[in-house]
Amino acid sequence: KNEVEQSPQNLTAQEGEFITINCSYSVGISALHWLQQHPGGGIVSLFMLSSGKKKHGRLIATINIQEKHSSLHITASHPRDSAVYICAVRETSGSRLTFGEGTQLTVNP
Amino acid sequence: NAGVTQTPKFQVLKTGQSMTLQCAQDMNHEYMSWYRQDPGMGLRLIHYSVGAGITDQGEVPNGYNVSRSTTEDFPLRLLSAAPSQTSVYFCASSYSSGGSYNEQFFGPGTRLTVL
Repeated sequence: KNEVEQSPQNLTAQEGEFITINCSYSVGISALHWLQQHPGGGIVSLFMLSSGKKKHGRLIATINIQEKHSSLHITASHPRDSAVYICAVRETSGSRLTFGEGTQLTVNP
Repeated sequence: NAGVTQTPKFQVLKTGQSMTLQCAQDMNHEYMSWYRQDPGMGLRLIHYSVGAGITDQGEVPNGYNVSRSTTEDFPLRLLSAAPSQTSVYFCASSYSSGGSYNEQFFGPGTRLTVL
């Protein structure tokens, strides 16, 4: 069983829909990261959080440390949001990141 | 700032050949790492470094060597390429503050094919 599980694996939405991607993990962490990988392959960091909630534009990330769960929300989705979204955790005991397999999001016009 | 740069972007090798994937960052980040990305799997850590002169193994280190002689550079060496090393390789860096590591900055990736 992976230490980091994402759901769903694939998600198709219509433009304008509200989207939620979930991430569950099984280890103690110091931080959780959400990353975006575009079709061209480049990976960018969206959020790093250790508690509560962060918002950037139409993106919102939340984390519940007690339940070992995080969600990434996209409001008013747009075709340019189509990408793979990756959750990663940094364990309390070290410096390394452990990654989920990613969620492929497709937003249709 | 150029951020994290990787060369080459694409490479084709024959089984048994050796080569070095280059990674450099100009942000004075202490932490640098190499990952491989394969279909159906998450990014997997090959080697990492928490500062110049310090390296350590990640999840999948076999067949790869690294060194960190400067803060800026973190090359990954394939000693004797095998088809199982066909993958996309990403280098990443991050800085630490207050004993914690911060967001990761990724290079554009190197697509390697071993025939």
